[in-house]
Amino acid sequence: DAGITQSPRHKVTETGTPVTLRCHQTENHRYMYWYRQDPGHGLRLIHYSYGVKDTDKGEVSDGYSVSRSKTEDFLLTLESATSSQTSVYFCAISESAGLPIQFFGPGTRLTVL
Amino acid sequence: GESVGLHLPTLSVQEGDNSIINCAYSNSASDYFIWYKQESGKGPQFIIDIRSNMDKRQGQRVTVLLNKTVKHLSLQIAATQPGDSAVYFCAEGGSQGNLIFGKGTKLSVKP
Repeated sequence: DAGITQSPRHKVTETGTPVTLRCHQTENHRYMYWYRQDPGHGLRLIHYSYGVKDTDKGEVSDGYSVSRSKTEDFLLTLESATSSQTSVYFCAISESAGLPIQFFGPGTRLTVL
Repeated sequence: GESVGLHLPTLSVQEGDNSIINCAYSNSASDYFIWYKQESGKGPQFIIDIRSNMDKRQGQRVTVLLNKTVKHLSLQIAATQPGDSAVYFCAEGGSQGNLIFGKGTKLSVKP
């Protein structure tokens, strides 16, 4: 987890409220990713970024938006949280597309009641 | 604790034995493969990687074997220790950098 922090680490919220999760890196890596991890599904890509202000959708992007205004920060927003978004969220970073080893943060456990 | 281990294949080994964890991948065009270890309540941790132009790579106590003919990847852990208990999963990737992750295998080490 060195060089990658996520905040908050745990959050409980209610259906319909907006939620923002933050990923912060100190490695100056170009690529950043948001995944969710659920039993029986493994890691699924939500959104990713290939540079400041450059983002794209992943496999399960519905209901999520992202922003990256600085190299070091990648924000994931749930505009109106639903119970199906209860999950563990991981941020990951990688240096380049040609060397796609991704390093993961410690995760955020989100519960939507 | 972390619920990622539910409903996963489980491998139970005795401390000191060797472990072999298998993974079938889907895309014959993938040119990069990675093994991760995930302990309860933590993020996935990089273990070892291998490119498609190789069939074997060794690290400290770990060896990855790649069989492209049958699209199969394996992770061998020598002299398994209690600290090796975790969920292990493989990932495959291509030139665009995105990875596709397998669902994982839970390794349980008996002392």
